[in-house]
Amino acid sequence: RKEVEQDPGPFNVPEGATVAFNCTYSNSASQSFFWYRQDCRKEPKLLMSVYSSGNEDGRFTAQLNRASQYISLLIRDSKLSDSATYLCVVRSNTGFQKLVFGTGTRLLVSP
Amino acid sequence: DTEVTQTPKHLVMGMTNKKSLKCEQHMGHRAMYWYKQKAKKPPELMFVYSYEKLSINESVPSRFSPECPNSSLLNLHLHALQPEDSALYLCASSQERQAEAFFGQGTRLTVV
Repeated sequence: RKEVEQDPGPFNVPEGATVAFNCTYSNSASQSFFWYRQDCRKEPKLLMSVYSSGNEDGRFTAQLNRASQYISLLIRDSKLSDSATYLCVVRSNTGFQKLVFGTGTRLLVSP
Repeated sequence: DTEVTQTPKHLVMGMTNKKSLKCEQHMGHRAMYWYKQKAKKPPELMFVYSYEKLSINESVPSRFSPECPNSSLLNLHLHALQPEDSALYLCASSQERQAEAFFGQGTRLTVV
């Protein structure tokens, strides 16, 4: 089983739609959780960290369920510019150094 | 300023060449990383440096040799690579015990 697993993609949604991505992780001792976005042929960029209490940044909401080892990302009012690959990333407890990436979920927002 | 700078952006090298990839950050981060990313795959960890010491080597072949000359610089020396080593090589940095990692734009390497 992979350490971090994500929904298979791609997700094709129209502009204005709400879309949710899910991610599960296997290491119960994982400490930190993030969502990154990656555009085609570009580097991953931090979208948001995920906190136990849940957090929101504009149209983006992230949730963490430690008991179920589950992370989610909700995007409201999708824009064309949201089209990208969304990577769920977990930091292991090995010296707080190792970031493990999920396989990513591709989002395509169409007019 | 959350900037990690990588050079060169593109590199084509033959299988007998020796080349180096460079990475620089001035955020005072004490952990620096090399990742390799193939098309349509997530980044895969290669090496982690913490306080200028190699702390993680993910069983990377010896034709890849990392070096951390100081707290701001990270190099990846390449020698006798194979065509299957062609990929995007990403450098990242983070605070030792803080979570966010910031990535450079990467070096797109082609081995011919």
